[in-house]
Amino acid sequence: EAGVVQSPRYKIIEKKQPVAFWCNPISGHNTLYWYRQNLGQGPELLIRYENEEAVDDSQLPKDRFSAERLKGVDSTLKIQPAELGDSAVYLCASSWPTGLIRHTGELFFGEGSRLTVL
Amino acid sequence: QKEVEQNSGPLSVPEGAIASLNCTYSDRGSQSFFWYRQYSGKSPELIMSIYSNGDKEDGRFTAQLNKASQYVSLLIRDSQPSDSATYLCAVNQRYGNKLVFGAGTILRVKS
Repeated sequence: EAGVVQSPRYKIIEKKQPVAFWCNPISGHNTLYWYRQNLGQGPELLIRYENEEAVDDSQLPKDRFSAERLKGVDSTLKIQPAELGDSAVYLCASSWPTGLIRHTGELFFGEGSRLTVL
Repeated sequence: QKEVEQNSGPLSVPEGAIASLNCTYSDRGSQSFFWYRQYSGKSPELIMSIYSNGDKEDGRFTAQLNKASQYVSLLIRDSQPSDSATYLCAVNQRYGNKLVFGAGTILRVKS
């Protein structure tokens, strides 16, 4: 079974440039998450989707970050313009629907996209 | 107060010893608790989940939960060098149905 696929694995850009990350979840997983992980910290949730609906985007910096999940399958996370502080690993994860309480928290992560902003 | 707190470590144990990793959480209504392992440069992977007070064993791993004390722990018996990683505690908060991660504890198993 294919896991969560993310691209690109690495991205180096200059500040004020735009960047986009793509994620394809595990087949059948309706719930998709974008997390940001800074060095030495745990993952922090940016946005959670149930199918194509963003059900929790409270921690997404909406002035520069945007996300979409058209057709409820793959997703794109965009940053425009990027700032130095955006350097981090952006992790995509998927899970079974969170309505099934025992599946909430059982996340499958992709390999992440490491962003360096110069 | 952080929502999920862990000692950052590093925790160093000799090969074959028991490693004990601890986590406390602030949301008393939390119902689901998880331990993820993250190797350097890799993404987190789920190793244990626990939902009820008490112990849950899976091979060399035992998760312990005490909701009254808001405390979760992970014991790794017969520690191996391959267990060297960062262990992330994650708690599903009642409000918002949100999974919150701690900063992780670095474990080093010395051969």
